[in-house]
Amino acid sequence: NAGVTQTPKFQVLKTGQSMTLQCAQDMNHNSMYWYRQDPGMGLRLIYYSASEGTTDKGEVPNGYNVSRLNKREFSLRLESAAPSQTSVYFCASSSTDRVFNEQFFGPGTRLTVL
Amino acid sequence: KQEVTQIPAALSVPEGENLVLNCSFTDSAIYNLQWFRQDPGKGLTSLLLIQSSQREQTSGRLNASLDKSSGRSTLYIAASQPGDSATYLCAVPSGAGSYQLTFGKGTKLSVIP
Repeated sequence: NAGVTQTPKFQVLKTGQSMTLQCAQDMNHNSMYWYRQDPGMGLRLIYYSASEGTTDKGEVPNGYNVSRLNKREFSLRLESAAPSQTSVYFCASSSTDRVFNEQFFGPGTRLTVL
Repeated sequence: KQEVTQIPAALSVPEGENLVLNCSFTDSAIYNLQWFRQDPGKGLTSLLLIQSSQREQTSGRLNASLDKSSGRSTLYIAASQPGDSATYLCAVPSGAGSYQLTFGKGTKLSVIP
C-alpha cells in the first residue's frame, strides 16, 4: 500500500517548456488535489477533483491545467513554464466524506524554472 | 475568506518538555480540523483529524483539542523528543462543506537534546 505517489521527484525546466506532473493513489479515494508550497506563502490549492470526471479551480489555477485520468490518477500540466512556477508541488487525496475528510499527501515534486 | 494563523512561528524547547502549539481560524463553520507534520524536504504527514463534533483527539503523545466557537485548536505534545523536531501545520476547510483546505504557515519546532 504505497499511499500517494508522485513523479518526478525533481525537475528543472527552461522558461517556456512544458511538463506534466503525475500523481496516483491506491487508497480508493474519490477526491484528489494539487497544491504548491512556497516560502512565506504556505500551501495553496491549485486545482482539485472532488470525484472522477470533475475538476475545479483552487486558489492559484493560472498557468496550470489538470486531468483526472481515472479514479487513481490526477495529473498537473504546465503548458509554458515561468520562473514564478518554481515551487514544490504536492498531490493529496481524500475520501468524499465531508465530516471525515482526512487528506493524505504525496512526497512532492521540486520544480525549478530557469 | 477562511484564514488560519499559527503562533508561534518557531519554538525551541529542551528534550522532555511538554509543549502546546496553537492554531486559530476565522470561519467556524467547519466539519473538521487536521494537524500535519512536515520534515525538511518531505511531504506532509497527517497526525490527527478532529471532527467538529469532537473536542479532543489523541494519538500516542499527541493530543489535539478543538473549540469551534472560539475558532481555536491546540496540539499538545507530551515529553518531547528530538525526533519531534519538524514543522507542524494545521488546516481547516475553506468554507462550509468545502473540500478545499486552508493551511496555516506552520510552527517550526526544534527539540534540543
